[in-house]
Formats: sequence, structure tokens, C-alpha cells
Amino acid sequence: SQTIHQWPATLVQPVGSPLSLECTVEGTSNPNLYWYRQAAGRGLQLLFYSVGIGQISSEVPQNLSASRPQDRQFILSSKKLLLSDSGFYLCAWSVGVGTDTQYFGPGTRLTVL
Amino acid sequence: GESVGLHLPTLSVQEGDNSIINCAYSNSASDYFIWYKQESGKGPQFIIDIRSNMDKRQGQRVTVLLNKTVKHLSLQIAATQPGDSAVYFCAENSSGYSTLTFGKGTMLLVSP
Repeated sequence: SQTIHQWPATLVQPVGSPLSLECTVEGTSNPNLYWYRQAAGRGLQLLFYSVGIGQISSEVPQNLSASRPQDRQFILSSKKLLLSDSGFYLCAWSVGVGTDTQYFGPGTRLTVL
Repeated sequence: GESVGLHLPTLSVQEGDNSIINCAYSNSASDYFIWYKQESGKGPQFIIDIRSNMDKRQGQRVTVLLNKTVKHLSLQIAATQPGDSAVYFCAENSSGYSTLTFGKGTMLLVSP
């Protein structure tokens, strides 16, 4: 069966510090991978998605970036965090194109102080 | 732009009641719909999905209804339990696109 992991679970970082969040998927090959951000009590905002190694699509202009160094690894980064980067970051995976369910990881709670 | 939205931000029910959570969508090209449940501090969990060639699909205690005429989606939960308390999101997708469009979410509160 497929599993998705996110690391770390929680993170407290000062403004201006760098960020690296990791997502890995097991049990499937060539998944589509997604990064979402969720503000407290709000919906899901798609940040990036990738349909293959080295292929990244950005949905929202941010001081964030994403990379996919391996087939089942997706990394969310920032060189300098802003207060507004605080939130709950979710990674998800799917297979195929279009009518396929996305499955979410446990999330990373990021607080920028 | 086109979007998926929810009518009710919060729904409070008594344990044992049936719950109905509604969702409106505006993209007539959407052909796949999903309901997710998100408990506090956790990632969204898939509940049930439905494709546009169907108008009803049933799972364990849950039923999704799709009305393409009025672009409306609903999730019915039978015999609601305290463990059903969570935020419920609908999402929609159009063929050929790898991304989903999510609604804003409805908080379901179940009282014992």
C-alpha cells in the first residue's frame, strides 16, 4: 500500500530564516506531487505541483520554491521566511491525470515568529 | 474565475442525526468530485468520490449526491457520531488537469 510522509511535523522558525520541508511517498511510481498551504480555519491553497522529476508548476507567486530531486521526494523551500508564511503545509500525491484522487500527508505546522 | 464553494460554514447536529453538507461548483466542465474529511491538526482524508456520469454513490454511512443541472454536490452522513466532527471539503477536477479545486470547507460539530 501507498504511504506518504512529511517531515518535520512541527517547526518554529524566526523571520528571515531558511526553510526546508520534505515529503516522501512510498509504494507508487511516478506520482503527481503537490504542496498546499492551509491558514488557520481556512481552505487549501495549492502552491506547487509536479508531474515528474524536475518538473515543477507554481500556482501562486511566493517567496517559496519547490524541488523534486527524486521520483517520490518533494521538497518545499524558502531562503527567507516571512511572518505570512506561517500555516499548515500539506503534501499530497496522485497518479494519472484528471480524475484521480489526491491523498494527503499528515502535514507540517510552521510558525514563523 | 471558476470555483467550488460551500453554503454552510458550520453545521451542528446531535449524535444519531443525519447530516447533510452542501457544495456548489461553477465549472460545468468538472467531471470528478471528491469529499474529504479533515480532523484538527491532521491532513485531509478521502471519504468518497463520484464521477459526472453518476448522480449518487454510497459508502459506509456516507452518500454523495451530484446534481449537474444546478451544479450542486452534497455529502450525507447517516447516524452521525462524535467522531464525525471535522471540517469537510469538497473538491472538483476536470479531465486533463492534474490539479483539484477545493471548496472552503464546512465544520461539522456533533453533540453527544
